[in-house]
Amino acid sequence: KAGVTQTPRYLIKTRGQQVTLSCSPISGHRSVSWYQQTPGQGLQFLFEYFSETQRNKGNFPGRFSGRQFSNSRSEMNVSTLELGDSALYLCASSLGLAGGPAKNIQYFGAGTRLSVL
Amino acid sequence: AQSVTQPDIHITVSEGASLELRCNYSYGATPYLFWYVQSPGQGLQLLLKYFSGDTLVQGIKGFEAEFKRSQSSFNLRKPSVHWSDAAEYFCAVGGGSYIPTFGRGTSLIVHP
Repeated sequence: KAGVTQTPRYLIKTRGQQVTLSCSPISGHRSVSWYQQTPGQGLQFLFEYFSETQRNKGNFPGRFSGRQFSNSRSEMNVSTLELGDSALYLCASSLGLAGGPAKNIQYFGAGTRLSVL
Repeated sequence: AQSVTQPDIHITVSEGASLELRCNYSYGATPYLFWYVQSPGQGLQLLLKYFSGDTLVQGIKGFEAEFKRSQSSFNLRKPSVHWSDAAEYFCAVGGGSYIPTFGRGTSLIVHP
């Protein structure tokens, strides 16, 4: 079974631009979560999508948005990029079943490394 | 609210030596606990998990962890470290939420 696939692996953008990252979950997984990882802040939860609806949200500004398609693939968009947005963006998928983390183990992709110049 | 503390930012061990990475959690009920490993430039790989039952859990790559409720700890251990174990290790706790909370990570350095 294929794992979580994130594209692209690397991105270089300039301040003020916008960027879209893509995540294809493991087949059968309906939940997709996004995380931002930086050396200073560690892993920070951005949001989670389940059945095309945002189910959980972290504490990030509105410049960060996402969506999920009917095939469970997800995209994350960052508008008006700032230097501080440079980070590794990780996507994780899980089954999304009721029952909390015991039935929703997260499996991670390799990430997209975003550099903002 | 749930939280995780990994007290050690860096740990250095010699190849072949034993390893213990510390993890303390805060959660009001029985937690779900995880250890993940991240190699440079890669995503997180699940090493092991604890949900209930036997407090000593075995994972992949020869790792094990022990849940100690009285100490709110879930320390990761390996009897003999290999150079390929050098990586970042993350402890995470989950509860009622679908989203686990991650610690800041411990960087493992392995000397030959």
